[in-house]
Amino acid sequence: DIVLTQSPALAVSLGQRATISCKTNQNVDYYGNSYMHWYQQKPGQQPKLLIYLASNLASGIPARFSGRGSGTDFTLTIDPVEADDTATYYCQQSRNLPNTFGAGTKLELK
Amino acid sequence: EVQLVETGGGLVRPGSSLKLSCATSGFTFSNTWMNWVRQAPGKGLEWVALIKDKYSNYEANYAESVKGRFTISRDDSKSRVYLQMNTLRDQDTATYYCTRPPYGSYVGWFAYWGQGTLVTVSS
Repeated sequence: DIVLTQSPALAVSLGQRATISCKTNQNVDYYGNSYMHWYQQKPGQQPKLLIYLASNLASGIPARFSGRGSGTDFTLTIDPVEADDTATYYCQQSRNLPNTFGAGTKLELK
Repeated sequence: EVQLVETGGGLVRPGSSLKLSCATSGFTFSNTWMNWVRQAPGKGLEWVALIKDKYSNYEANYAESVKGRFTISRDDSKSRVYLQMNTLRDQDTATYYCTRPPYGSYVGWFAYWGQGTLVTVSS
C-alpha cells in the first residue's frame, strides 16, 4: 500500500500563508497526472474535496486554495488564511488500490 | 443535485452483523463506481470498499482490514449501494461514508460524500 505522511498540526496567523505537506513512499504519477487529492474536514462534517490531481481546484472552492507537487512530494497552500479555514486537511492518493489517506493535518490559528 | 444518504448505523455487539445502505439521487447511478470510506472517532479517513458497474461485472475491492468480513453490493434499480458487515469488531467502530468519484467509471478522487452513519461496536 502507498503510505502518505502529513505533519499532524500547523498554526498560522490570519491573513498569512499556510503550507501543508504530504509525502508518499511511492510515486503517484501516471501518464502525466499526479493522483494526489486534498480534502478539508470540519468537526461533525463530512470531508469536502478541495484539490484533485495535485493542482486542480474543485468546483466552488476559493482560489485561496492551491495545490502543487509531483512524484512523492505534494503541498496544499492556503493564502491568505481565513478564520473559516480552521479544519483538518487530508491528502489521498488514487494511483493504486487501496486508495489511501494521510493521517491529516489540523490547521489552527495563532 | 447529487445526494448520498446513508442509513443503517447503530450500536451492535462484537461478532454481530449490520447492513448499511446508501440511497442516491441526482446522477446516473448505474454507471457510477461507488465507495465506502470510514472514520473512527477522532481518527483519520480509511477507504473500505469499491464496487464497479455492470460493465465491469460489479467487481468489488476491499481494504485488507475488512476483506472476508464486509461485502459491498448495489441495486441499480433502486440507485442504492450497500455494505454488509459481518463479524464486527470493536475497531470497526466508525462513521461510514458513502462516496462517489467525479464521474462514472473511475476510481479517482471522492467528489461527493454523504453525511455518514455511525456504527458503534461495543459489548
